[in-house]
Amino acid sequence: QSALTQPASVSGSPGQSITISCTGTSSDVGAYNYVSWYQQHPGTAPKLMIYGVSNRPSGISSRFSGSKSGNTASLTISGLQAEDEADYYCSSYTGSSTLVFGGGTSLTVL
Amino acid sequence: QVQLQESGPGLVKPSQTLSLTCTVSGDSISSGGYYWSWMHQHPGKGLEWIGYIYYSGSTYYNPSLKSRVTISVDTSKNQFSLKLSSVTAADTAVYYCVRGDGYSRFDYWGQGTLVTVSS
Repeated sequence: QSALTQPASVSGSPGQSITISCTGTSSDVGAYNYVSWYQQHPGTAPKLMIYGVSNRPSGISSRFSGSKSGNTASLTISGLQAEDEADYYCSSYTGSSTLVFGGGTSLTVL
Repeated sequence: QVQLQESGPGLVKPSQTLSLTCTVSGDSISSGGYYWSWMHQHPGKGLEWIGYIYYSGSTYYNPSLKSRVTISVDTSKNQFSLKLSSVTAADTAVYYCVRGDGYSRFDYWGQGTLVTVSS
């Protein structure tokens, strides 16, 4: 059960769009539509932003969207805002009632 | 509003057992429909799923930790607990309790509690 692969860091300017990738295998990301994304600000608990690949929980801005192609899932943030600066983690169901997370991506808003 | 709160010792000696409890309010564990989970995050590192439990007592664990982990539930107190045995410094982490659907929607998280393993 290896961790999913995310870029260590991404950056963008206010108003721009950025995409964070999350690469797994045909046994996790590629096998199930159970990818989720979490936002974590320093010193706080993670916050669910996307679940089931592309679903937003109530209260999450439509600027956040998710997608998947093959073994790679993506989180796109449009209209980047200063408050979006945080760490982002993906996770995937891997079958047999187990979960795996990505290593996390640090987003910097320039 | 659903709230989860972790409690337990912040310092554990090497080779001992780490024990944490999560108290749930705003939802009933025994109502079913959710998996009650433990995650941890080593200092400056990413998240790791430890395992989860259903109200019936069915448990599912991360294979890498399975030999040392026990998660239990007390529906009468609306609590669930984590025990991690034979701890080492590598188990020093922030531990979170989380409500989820077992697949993807882990929607309510406790604030997290730092557990340090040190003599």
